[in-house]
Amino acid sequence: DVKVTQSSRYLVKRTGEKVFLECVQDMDHENMFWYRQDPGLGLRLIYFSYDVKMKEKGDIPEGYSVSREKKERFSLILESASTNQTSMYLCASSLGGSRADTQYFGPGTRLTVL
Amino acid sequence: GESVGLHLPTLSVQEGDNSIINCAYSNSASDYFIWYKQESGKGPQFIIDIRSNMDKRQGQRVTVLLNKTVKHLSLQIAATQPGDSAVYFCAENKGGSQGNLIFGKGTKLSVKP
Repeated sequence: DVKVTQSSRYLVKRTGEKVFLECVQDMDHENMFWYRQDPGLGLRLIYFSYDVKMKEKGDIPEGYSVSREKKERFSLILESASTNQTSMYLCASSLGGSRADTQYFGPGTRLTVL
Repeated sequence: GESVGLHLPTLSVQEGDNSIINCAYSNSASDYFIWYKQESGKGPQFIIDIRSNMDKRQGQRVTVLLNKTVKHLSLQIAATQPGDSAVYFCAENKGGSQGNLIFGKGTKLSVKP
């Protein structure tokens, strides 16, 4: 079974703090994704990566950055957290290639910015 | 179907009945579709997928139907159980962009014992 893990289930941070969310997958997947999920807005893509050291902006990249130094690990960084970044953050991975494939999700990190 | 505003559409069924959850997708060029189940406080869980060269695909207690003519996808759950209570949402591929998916906002399924 594909396993995607996220470093924290719950996080509470203060405005202006730098926040790191870590995601690890164990299936040698090429593609990795970061989403945020908010009530009524569904899943929105922040950033994705289809290879080590590669990254692409999703639909809502403002206020976020990412890092993919190793194939299995994809980090989301909030350079200066703001209250409007309070959300559920979901990481996903998929096999890779140009053919669309199933994305497997981690358990999510619920981030609260005070 | 898809959500409007802050409130998800809700489907309430009796335990043991069959459930049908619907999804209208947006891109006529999409060739891959997935259904996910998300329980409260958890990440989405893959249920079943279907590619556009098929009209129907069956899994264990679940069936996905694809109608490309009207861009409609449905998930049928047989003999619905209390453990099936969750939010269900569909996803379609975005067409040739490294496997990116477009997600629906979901339908909340409530199973009454």
